[in-house]
Amino acid sequence: AQSVTQLGSHVSVSEGALVLLRCNYSSSVPPYLFWYVQYPNQGLQLLLKYTSAATLVKGINGFEAEFKKSETSFHLTKPSAHMSDAAEYFCAVSGVTQGGSEKLVFGKGTKLTVNP
Amino acid sequence: NAGVMQNPRHLVRRRGQEARLRCSPMKGHSHVYWYRQLPEEGLKFMVYLQKENIIDESGMPKERFSAEFPKEGPSILRIQQVVRGDSAAYFCASSPNGGDSNQPQHFGDGTRLSIL
Repeated sequence: AQSVTQLGSHVSVSEGALVLLRCNYSSSVPPYLFWYVQYPNQGLQLLLKYTSAATLVKGINGFEAEFKKSETSFHLTKPSAHMSDAAEYFCAVSGVTQGGSEKLVFGKGTKLTVNP
Repeated sequence: NAGVMQNPRHLVRRRGQEARLRCSPMKGHSHVYWYRQLPEEGLKFMVYLQKENIIDESGMPKERFSAEFPKEGPSILRIQQVVRGDSAAYFCASSPNGGDSNQPQHFGDGTRLSIL
């Protein structure tokens, strides 16, 4: 079985400060890992993905994440927060299940607030 | 807009009525996933379908819920005899194949279902 734990349901940072959103996963198979962002009343937009290539993954909007197998972590970072980064962020893991399905297992999300 | 299209965006039903949620995948995508998002929760997988086939329904409630993806037309998630606990946001995602992680799932903007 797979699971994701996101530490901190709410994170608040000042504009220009470092953003760090934590994600730990559990998977019995080599995982595929994702970060999605959700703006109010919208769907999920893919920020970045890890698929067993480089452990440091760069995504859109200046975000990046590092896969650390020894720590079973996939934390999301951005060097300098912008007001437009305020949203909810979801970490997800997938692995092949029956019929080739790669259903996503999501964490509960972290709401990021950016203060001026 | 060639993205995943869900309708309606908002749906209000009284207890005991039926709810039908529609999802048109991205052009060229033949695989559809449905997820449910309860308040303060991450998304939970419900069902994975290919054209005319249910591949994985391990996340579907045993009663009142059904899904289909006909040869022609959108995928439908149907909830019979709705109850207050069905109030949630329902998201559809599509992929061109079985969720090949090099081509991750693309999400629609969701249907917000409210039960009176």
